[in-house]
Amino acid sequence: DAKTTQPNSMESNEEEPVHLPCNHSTISGTDYIHWYRQLPSQGPEYVIHGLTSNVNNRMASLAIAEDRKSSTLILHRATLRDAAVYYCILSNNNDMRFGAGTRLTVKP
Amino acid sequence: DAGVIQSPRHEVTEMGQEVTLRCKPISGHNSLFWYRQTMMRGLELLIYFNNNVPIDDSGMPEDRFSAKMPNASFSTLKIQPSEPRDSAVYFCASSRETGAANYGYTFGSGTRLTVV
Repeated sequence: DAKTTQPNSMESNEEEPVHLPCNHSTISGTDYIHWYRQLPSQGPEYVIHGLTSNVNNRMASLAIAEDRKSSTLILHRATLRDAAVYYCILSNNNDMRFGAGTRLTVKP
Repeated sequence: DAGVIQSPRHEVTEMGQEVTLRCKPISGHNSLFWYRQTMMRGLELLIYFNNNVPIDDSGMPEDRFSAKMPNASFSTLKIQPSEPRDSAVYFCASSRETGAANYGYTFGSGTRLTVV
């Protein structure tokens, strides 16, 4: 399985943008890039996914490098409610395997 | 839609007892996944079904674990006999269509299992 590398933790101030990086240098041509987050005491929650082009939805934006070897999840204005563990996952089939993720702390 | 429904939310059982965890996927979703989460090992995929058929059970830790999906609206994960090291939060997730590369998973709230 293609692997992803994320920082263990990041901090952000409330109402500021947050850029969460993910490296995936061994990505294959058919791998989609998925982002999930897990709030405390909850199950993981789908955030966004993409293949080659940048993607936007109501929760976040996903910026994908031209060579697809890295991507960045962008939260445009962090709120306290965005404090969670964020997982970057590669998948080309019906099989989503989670790594350790990045624990995001949002400071008021 | 009520989302993915898991029961019970919490389960405390004695070592050696049989434990059954239940999951109702979102209507119309035809893929179902069981995960286990611990502090030490994070989120682990145990098994997944597509159209009620088990596709990959390589993550099931040992023969004490078994999972079934008798129909499109119900799945169980059974541990018999249970051991203290099985203590974890067990999540069920479902998705629409094969190739979840195109569709996101929806997770349930999990079952917190404690084996004493």
